[in-house]
This record gives sequence, structure tokens and C-alpha cells, in this order.
Amino acid sequence: QVQLVESGGGVVQPGRSLRLSCAASGFTFSIYGIHWVRQAPGKGLEWVAFIRHDESNKYYADSVKGRFTISRDNSKNTVYLQMNTLRAEDTAVYFCARDQRDNYFDYWGQGALVTVSS
Amino acid sequence: QSALTQPASVSGSPGQSITISCTGTSSDVIDYSYNYVSWYQQHPGKAPKLMIYEVSNRPSGVPDRFSGSKSGNTASLTISGLQAEDEADYYCYSYTTSSTRVFGPGTKVTVL
Repeated sequence: QVQLVESGGGVVQPGRSLRLSCAASGFTFSIYGIHWVRQAPGKGLEWVAFIRHDESNKYYADSVKGRFTISRDNSKNTVYLQMNTLRAEDTAVYFCARDQRDNYFDYWGQGALVTVSS
Repeated sequence: QSALTQPASVSGSPGQSITISCTGTSSDVIDYSYNYVSWYQQHPGKAPKLMIYEVSNRPSGVPDRFSGSKSGNTASLTISGLQAEDEADYYCYSYTTSSTRVFGPGTKVTVL
């Protein structure tokens, strides 16, 4: 069965960096794009970033552009989100989700909590 | 401020029908004629779940009381025969002409 498992969350000070991982299984990872979506405590969903199956295109929300980098390793069935210069407003649960046809998400991970606090 | 608007809350009694709207408010939101609107259900503390994709298609396993439609720049999710387990937050999603993506602010559905 399709599984997406996020890891790497934790507590980090403002201005520091953190890298999230999304490990996939149960499907042919190399032919699917993957998104990161986050949800601040008590708030709605916010799309963060998207990477195509072959890394040919990467897209970012304006709120993270220049600070976050999405990448993938198809040999490890894993997508990464490198988060630099973290701010308090980046505090959220970060979900990875599989892309379908470039317009919706059909499977989601359980999420990883990132807390940015001094 | 999202380029998609949804009502903050909708409520109904068991067995009733409710409709949640999702309206594109910005010229950046891609023309809905492309039919790229999807809907997600989220229970507290859980990951979102796909309920409707490409305006009106229902994934396998989603009850047929959930349906989607679109008129002009407004997409809608209808829940017919509301059940207690339908109480959750619902988000619409689409993407903008700049190739970024956007969620609506979410609608809290309460079953009275």
C-alpha cells in the first residue's frame, strides 16, 4: 500500500536550519511528483513546495521562496525539504503528499511537527 | 489572504444536505474552466484526505454522498445525507497562473 512517512521535525531556534525527509513506499516513486504542505497550529493548510518526478521543475510558495529548497533522491525513494533561516511563523506540521496529474494530492503522510522557538 | 474563499463554517442536522462553496477571488487563480479543483477532508489531528478531484470526480472509497460541481468561478462540495462522521474541516485547492498552488481557508462542518 502507498505510504509516505515524514521525519526530521523538532524544535529549532529562529535563524537556524532543519531538513525534513519524506520516505515513500508501495508505489513507483520515480514517476510521481511530491508536494510539501504545512499547517500552523489551529490554522488552515498552506501549500509549500512541489517537485516533479524528475526534478525538472520545482515550485515554492512566496512565503518560503529563497529560504526552503525541495529535492529528491529517487534511488532512496525520498523527498527532502531543506529549511533555512527559519522563523517563528514557520512553526507548523509539515505534510508530504503525492501529486496526481499535476493538480491534486491522492496520498498524504502523517506529518512532522516543526517548532521554531528560542 | 487566500486567492480562494470558503465560508468559515457550515452546519446541518443528520440526514440533511449541505453545500460548501469555493470561489476564486484573484485574477491569479487559474481559470476554473480547466477543472482543476479538488476537495480535502481533515479530522482533528489527522492528515487531510482527498474527497473530490478535478471538480466532480470521487476517488474509490469515498462515499457517494459526497459530490462536487462548478459554476463560473465557484466550485462546490455537497454532502447529501449528512452523517456524524462528516464533521470535519474541508479545504478546496487549485493552482494559480504562476504555477504555485493554493488552498482555500477551510470550512468547519458541524453536524448538529
